[in-house]
Amino acid sequence: EAGVVQSPRYKIIEKKQPVAFWCNPISGHNTLYWYLQNLGQGPELLIRYENEEAVDDSQLPKDRFSAERLKGVDSTLKIQPAELGDSAVYLCASSLGRSPQKLFFGEGSRLTVL
Amino acid sequence: SQKIEQNSEALNIQEGKTATLTCNYTNYSPAYLQWYRQDPGRGPVFLLLIRENEKEKRKERLKVTFDTTLKQSLFHITASQPADSATYLCALRDTDKLIFGTGTRLQVFP
Repeated sequence: EAGVVQSPRYKIIEKKQPVAFWCNPISGHNTLYWYLQNLGQGPELLIRYENEEAVDDSQLPKDRFSAERLKGVDSTLKIQPAELGDSAVYLCASSLGRSPQKLFFGEGSRLTVL
Repeated sequence: SQKIEQNSEALNIQEGKTATLTCNYTNYSPAYLQWYRQDPGRGPVFLLLIRENEKEKRKERLKVTFDTTLKQSLFHITASQPADSATYLCALRDTDKLIFGTGTRLQVFP
């Protein structure tokens, strides 16, 4: 069974440039999460989808961050414009059902903003 | 305020010994708590889940305890091996969210 697939694995951009990350969850997993992980910290939830509906985006900085999950399968997280402080690892995870019994994470997308 | 605390200092132990990692929380009443392993440059991998009505859970060399009175979970790795070296994250369920601690880095020396 294929795991959660994320791309790109690494991205280096200059500040004020846009960037997008893509995630394909495990087949059949209706719940998808985007987490932000800073160095030496635990993952912090940005947004959670149930199918195509964003049910929790309270921690997403909506002035520059946006996300979509068309057709309730794969998802894209966008930052525009990027700031120096956005340098971090962006993790995508998926799970079966609403209650997060067990999350399956992708390998993450490491963003460096210069 | 709500907090999940894990020892930020690395835990260094000798191969064959038991590693014990601590997760303390305040101002949460989690229905369950989970432990994940994270290797450098990789995403977290689920290890164990323990519910509020369970005192202890085991899986092979891993054991987790959950004390809702002390608001603490302990994670034990018995007969530790260098391959167990990684960062271990605890996470608790808060309503529909999974909130992660900062993780503790474990280094097992041969």
